[in-house]
Amino acid sequence: GENVEQHPSTLSVQEGDSAVIKCTYSDSASNYFPWYKQELGKGPQLIIDIRSNVGEKKDQRIAVTLNKTAKHFSLHITETQPEDSAVYFCAASVLGADGLTFGKGTHLIIQP
Amino acid sequence: NAGVTQTPKFQVLKTGQSMTLQCAQDMNHEYMSWYRQDPGMGLRLIHYSVGAGITDQGEVPNGYNVSRSTTEDFPLRLLSAAPSQTSVYFCASSLTGRSNQPQHFGDGTRLSIL
Repeated sequence: GENVEQHPSTLSVQEGDSAVIKCTYSDSASNYFPWYKQELGKGPQLIIDIRSNVGEKKDQRIAVTLNKTAKHFSLHITETQPEDSAVYFCAASVLGADGLTFGKGTHLIIQP
Repeated sequence: NAGVTQTPKFQVLKTGQSMTLQCAQDMNHEYMSWYRQDPGMGLRLIHYSVGAGITDQGEVPNGYNVSRSTTEDFPLRLLSAAPSQTSVYFCASSLTGRSNQPQHFGDGTRLSIL
């Protein structure tokens, strides 16, 4: 089955700086790669996703890039703000398969 | 809209007890699923359903049962609770009957088994 590795497990950046979280996946048939943000005591919330026919997608301060050849994808957050502090999860899904496979999460800390 | 609603939010059980975690969605979504989240483990799929009357096992199904009699509801049953089932449980749904669509998560049920 699919295996998703996520790094780093903890990331601390100064407010206003950029943050990058990286994930690799093992199944070349995976074609959907979402990113979720989880705040304390809440469920994961989708912040951006990308499909395998696209190399990059951007939504204001958030962008995701996908390298199918290397089987890795990354989340980029620019101009970080205190409200960006949370746990971020990457995930992968194969078309028609049973559910999402999640990475183990990155705790993003924005230092004032 | 309420989205995905999970009840209860917190529960403490004794080993061997049974209980049902409730999940309801009001978005007319076909696909529903249950995940468990353990520290440092991410989320792992327990069971899923691609539509009413259809369920299937995920990565960690042992000790859990599900049913999908209506589009809106997808309860998760613990038949005989064990300490290893102490976890946070999340229900999710998506519009179509596939997992490669945006998933909407509930806020979870925090379950402790003593």
